[in-house]
Amino acid sequence: GAGVSQSPSNKVTEKGKDVELRCDPISGHTALYWYRQSLGQGLEFLIYFQGNSAPDKSGLPSDRFSAERTGGSVSTLTIQRTQQEDSAVYLCASSIWTSEYNEQFFGPGTRLTVL
Amino acid sequence: TQLLEQSPQFLSIQEGENLTVYCNSSSVFSSLQWYRQEPGEGPVLLVTVVTGGEVKKLKRLTFQFGDARKDSSLHITAAQPGDTGLYLCAGAPAQKLVFGQGTRLTINP
Repeated sequence: GAGVSQSPSNKVTEKGKDVELRCDPISGHTALYWYRQSLGQGLEFLIYFQGNSAPDKSGLPSDRFSAERTGGSVSTLTIQRTQQEDSAVYLCASSIWTSEYNEQFFGPGTRLTVL
Repeated sequence: TQLLEQSPQFLSIQEGENLTVYCNSSSVFSSLQWYRQEPGEGPVLLVTVVTGGEVKKLKRLTFQFGDARKDSSLHITAAQPGDTGLYLCAGAPAQKLVFGQGTRLTINP
């Protein structure tokens, strides 16, 4: 399995509950990105990690959103007190940081539905 | 804020026709990428263009980067149903990609 994997593939939750979304990047990729995609739309940047550097959190829409990356590999995106507007597909991507062109490899996404 | 605007947003054509999708910005990008996304999957990289005026071909797909590195186009010749999908352009001002909103392409048999 050489690709980016994400779990769960689908998540249905009730408004106000917390959710955790997981991303396993490609082995050896030092950069990891989270995006949000609303139905049929483009990608909205959320956060990215590079090695041991402080993550770039500039895209997180509110303080209910947080993410961590353990051991420079697996990442978890946590959404607290979910709202209906959080419903979207959450995509994770990884890349080789030294790649001049930052070519990203995406996972299949987690479809989050907040009822 | 650097923005990329894609046009058209939706395009539905018959098999065998040609089409062009545009990606425009007022900002300069060091490189620009095109991705295709199919339902239920993540985007897949098609090509990266890095030099102003560069043209790259991938079978029936031709990608061009504008001379000023502010815009790009994707031309598909003799479109096939398998070309159906969401086409996204993404610019790399730095390590954080900026994505356009996408062009949803439907090729009808």
